[in-house]
Amino acid sequence: ELKVEQNPLFLSMQEGKNYTIYCNYSTTSDRLYWYRQDPGKSLESLFVLLSNGAVKQEGRLMASLDTKARLSTLHITAAVHDLSATYFCAVDPDSGTYKYIFGTGTRLKVLA
Amino acid sequence: EAGVTQFPSHSVIEKGQTVTLRCDPISGHDNLYWYRRVMGKEIKFLLHFVKESKQDESGMPNNRFLAERTGGTYSTLKVQPAELEDSGVYFCASSRLGAYNEQFFGPGTRLTVL
Repeated sequence: ELKVEQNPLFLSMQEGKNYTIYCNYSTTSDRLYWYRQDPGKSLESLFVLLSNGAVKQEGRLMASLDTKARLSTLHITAAVHDLSATYFCAVDPDSGTYKYIFGTGTRLKVLA
Repeated sequence: EAGVTQFPSHSVIEKGQTVTLRCDPISGHDNLYWYRRVMGKEIKFLLHFVKESKQDESGMPNNRFLAERTGGTYSTLKVQPAELEDSGVYFCASSRLGAYNEQFFGPGTRLTVL
């Protein structure tokens, strides 16, 4: 069974600190997506990673993809309260089915 | 450009009743997907339309669930009769054909079956 594991599930951190969220997956894929969800809102697309070694940055967030290790990371630099949300990674398997396999999500709380 | 919209935002029904969820994708997106998140679990794929055709319905839990996409525009997901375990948040997403499958999600419908 295809699995996507995210850790940690919960993350409480102080403003100004750095941290990394990990996304491991069990199938071959070179397409991985990161989303952010605020309570009651849509999943907002953050990053689209389409190849091995891809690195994307937006503000205090940076995502990378290592397809050989089947690992993606979402790094948070100098966290601020506004980053508090749930973050999901999703894998589009090479099977060509177009369905996403989601991680369990990481609920991030940044304390002022 | 308007995003993916879903209606209703919340629905509370009793076991055995019928509920119909609606999704309006982004205009011009031929791919439409339904996903579900049951409390405490990951978001799981239900099915995928390309225009009006069901491309993949491997995630549909059972025959109490019926999805349609008439005319290749909006889609409905009907649950009949609803059971307690159907409670959760139902997300709809859409994407363009051939565009590295970046899916855009709606806000979800929270379904509670009592």
